[in-house]
Amino acid sequence: GAVVSQHPSWVICKSGTSVKIECRSLDFQATTMFWYRQFPKQSLMLMATSNEGSKATYEQGVEKDKFLINHASLTLSTLTVTSAHPEDSSFYICSARDIMGAGGSEQYFGPGTRLTVT
Amino acid sequence: QKEVEQNSGPLSVPEGAIASLNCTYSDRGSQSFFWYRQYSGKSPELIMFIYSNGDKEDGRFTAQLNKASQYVSLLIRDSQPSDSATYLCAVGSPNNAGNMLTFGGGTRLMVKP
Repeated sequence: GAVVSQHPSWVICKSGTSVKIECRSLDFQATTMFWYRQFPKQSLMLMATSNEGSKATYEQGVEKDKFLINHASLTLSTLTVTSAHPEDSSFYICSARDIMGAGGSEQYFGPGTRLTVT
Repeated sequence: QKEVEQNSGPLSVPEGAIASLNCTYSDRGSQSFFWYRQYSGKSPELIMFIYSNGDKEDGRFTAQLNKASQYVSLLIRDSQPSDSATYLCAVGSPNNAGNMLTFGGGTRLMVKP
């Protein structure tokens, strides 16, 4: 149980284009999902908290107009990187909180999406 | 600012030994504690969580929590080369919006055959 999927697993796009990444909780409902970014040899950086049916909460320094988040259902959140530039190249990882888990706070990560902007 | 601190390592242990990974946190109101394993180029995988003071064992893994000292650790018995990875400590607080977790920087573990 507690499986989170992401699609695509990797994507290469040209500078100026937009990329959409999907995050799905496959066997549980997730009212809250989180989006992280990780650069090589660095720690996870939380970008935003995605709440089903409401606006996402962005961390300081993360542009909400550039990283569009939609959490339209209890099993799907999407992150759209708009007008991507080479500096947006990174490993994007989502996680979902399983409120029905043993403690109600466990977060499970998707496999990640590696974005390369040329 | 809530902080979670880990020694970045690398922590090197011989195969078969016990690996001890440590983590301290600053928010005394924290209530949930997690250990994730992350292999290079992969996403983190939840391996243990603990909510109460004391020890929690699962196979070769034991998580230890001491809220008074604001300290949580992970012991890996009979370490195997396949345990070589970065281990992330994460702490949750009811004060965090959406129950977000605060992650430490991770400790890189190397198990040598």
